[in-house]
Amino acid sequence: DTAVSQTPKYLVTQMGNDKSIKCEQNLGHDTMYWYKQDSKKFLKIMFSYNNKELIINETVPNRFSPKSPDKAHLNLHINSLELGDSAVYFCASSDDGRVGWRGRKIPQETQYFGPGTRLLVL
Amino acid sequence: AQSVTQPDIHITVSEGASLELRCNYSYGATPYLFWYVQSPGQGLQLLLKYFSGDTLVQGIKGFEAEFKRSQSSFNLRKPSVHWSDAAEYFCAVGGIDYKLSFGAGTTVTVRA
Repeated sequence: DTAVSQTPKYLVTQMGNDKSIKCEQNLGHDTMYWYKQDSKKFLKIMFSYNNKELIINETVPNRFSPKSPDKAHLNLHINSLELGDSAVYFCASSDDGRVGWRGRKIPQETQYFGPGTRLLVL
Repeated sequence: AQSVTQPDIHITVSEGASLELRCNYSYGATPYLFWYVQSPGQGLQLLLKYFSGDTLVQGIKGFEAEFKRSQSSFNLRKPSVHWSDAAEYFCAVGGIDYKLSFGAGTTVTVRA
């Protein structure tokens, strides 16, 4: 009954290969995210999907392509892997927000993170 | 653009002592503030969050944080640290655009 799950947990591969990381959430959330955590533990958002629609696309090489087949899944495909892609990739999900004061919707709900995928490119 | 600064890269504290982790944010509107904890080799777990209302928020594991708008701060505190609190702590700020910006993190070491 894991809330946000990622596969694989570890991924070791050669430079130039293409690989995919999968993420699934069973929380019924509308929005999903991909973050990259570098060797200095700095976390930076890469992409976000809301109801299968791309809403955040930060400055990320186009070798990275997210795909959301449905609301509960957000996969990350990486082409032509480079040494600098070595990092921990975290998937997260959040609800579409609750209605706050005066009926204002608050979209920035709590984000729930997966356990991470540790990618090592050799 | 929103940003978060965690001034302390590494803090060492004795078990049973109090802990305070600093967080300063920059955001143009009312911020949504979070503290997450990451244990070695693990994902991020939410400790607490501030959206509105009472500026002193209680979280899990005995943590609390205080939002001070005048100082643009959201410092995390725990009165008595346990060895299991050794971890990486991240402060984050978000708004209405779904983006969550994290600080660089503070590593907490607990000595016996």
